[in-house]
Amino acid sequence: DMQMTQSPSSLSASVGDRVTITCRASQSSSFSLNWYQQKPGTAPKLLITSTSSLQSGVPSRFSGSGSGTEFTLTITHLQPEDFATYHCQQHYAFGQGTKVEIK
Amino acid sequence: QLHLQESGPGLVKPSETLSLTCAVSGGSISSNSHYWAWIRQPPGKGLEWISSVHYSGTTYYNPSLKSRVTMSVDTSKNQFSLMLRSVTAADTAVYYCARDYGEHRTDYWGQGTLVTASS
Repeated sequence: DMQMTQSPSSLSASVGDRVTITCRASQSSSFSLNWYQQKPGTAPKLLITSTSSLQSGVPSRFSGSGSGTEFTLTITHLQPEDFATYHCQQHYAFGQGTKVEIK
Repeated sequence: QLHLQESGPGLVKPSETLSLTCAVSGGSISSNSHYWAWIRQPPGKGLEWISSVHYSGTTYYNPSLKSRVTMSVDTSKNQFSLMLRSVTAADTAVYYCARDYGEHRTDYWGQGTLVTASS
C-alpha cells in the first residue's frame, strides 16, 4: 500500500519566515503529488498539483518541488493567513499533516 | 460555482452501516472529466481517501476499506452516495465529499459532516 510520511508534524514560525515541509512516499508513483491547506473547521483547499503546479488564485509565495519519492512544499515570506495544516497526497494516500503555528 | 453538500445521520451504531449522500449543484455529475470522491478525517487526525466514482459506474476504492465500502451515483438527482458497512468507533470522522478531476486531485469539497459511531 502507498504511504505518505510528512515532516515535521508541526512547526512554529514567524510572519515573514521561509517554511519547508517534506513529504516522502513509500514507493515511486506516476500519480500527481498534491498539496492541500486546511484551516480549522473547514475543508482542505487544493494548493498545488503535479508536484509544482499552483492552482489558480494561490499566491506565488507557495511552491512545490521534488521527484521520485521525496517532495517539498515551500512557503516564502509567511503571511498571517498561511497558518494552517498542510497535507500532501499521492494516489489514495495522504500524509498525516503538518501544522504551521505562529511562533 | 460548483457546490457539494453532504447529508446523512450523524450517529451510527457499531456494526451497522453508515450511509451518506452528496448533492451536487452548479454543475453536472455526468461529466466525463470528473470522478466524485469521499474522504474522511477522524477528529484531530489526518485525511483518508475512501473511494471515488465516475458517473459511468467506474469506482476506485482505498484498499484498506474496499471490503466494507460501496459507492453509487444517481444522475437523475445529481448526487452520489457512500455506504460503509460494519462500522466501529474507528470510523468516527468528518466525512467530506469532493470532486476529483483526475489522479485524485480534488478541487471542490463539501463542508463535511461529522459521523460518530457509538451505541
